[in-house]
Amino acid sequence: DIQMTQSPSSLSASVGDRVTITCRASQSIRSSLNWYQQKPGKAPKVLIYDATSLQSGVPSRFSGSGSGTDFTLTISSLQPEDFATYYCQQSYITPRFGQGTKVEIK
Amino acid sequence: EVQLVESGGGLVQPGRSLRLSCAASGFTFDDYAMHWVRQAPGKGLEWVSGIRWNSGSMAYADSVKGRFTISRDNAKNSLYLQMNSLRAEDTALYYCAKDIGIAVAGTGGYIDSWGQGTLVTVSS
Repeated sequence: DIQMTQSPSSLSASVGDRVTITCRASQSIRSSLNWYQQKPGKAPKVLIYDATSLQSGVPSRFSGSGSGTDFTLTISSLQPEDFATYYCQQSYITPRFGQGTKVEIK
Repeated sequence: EVQLVESGGGLVQPGRSLRLSCAASGFTFDDYAMHWVRQAPGKGLEWVSGIRWNSGSMAYADSVKGRFTISRDNAKNSLYLQMNSLRAEDTALYYCAKDIGIAVAGTGGYIDSWGQGTLVTVSS
């Protein structure tokens, strides 16, 4: 079973800040890593797939990087609508989500 | 427009069974793998189970293996989750979710559509 470890579990940031969230897999998952955003009371939505590909309609301030075991989601300039919880998910073998990172207003 | 509508949730006693259903519309159902993902109150997302487009393979999280069974009826555009021997820790909002590909994993897939969820509460 592949374990996914996200960090940090939460962070406080201001509008305009650059935010970085990391996700580490317990073994190589090549580029089979996806990032989702979830707002309270809503279903998640995909932001990044295959580690680096931006889902259609998602603002370009979101970007993903990494391969193998270490991955990063970056928000280049945090906007008010970006305060949410972010999850990584591996789809290499039996899918699994990371534990989530809650992005809060500083 | 893709629509996924879950049903079948409710309050159930520990040890009992429940069957969730998901009615899909707005896309060619039998072209895609499907998943169940759950979220316990105030907790993170947990992938529960997935099924290949043609029911050729199914996969389960360790936490539900041997208790839950996923199935689909492509003629009815429907996805199901049979949940047996329910435990308090199965209490969660259960989402039906559509994959971008045909397989549960291994082909670079991801979830591109979600239902609104059906709440399962396991309590005596």
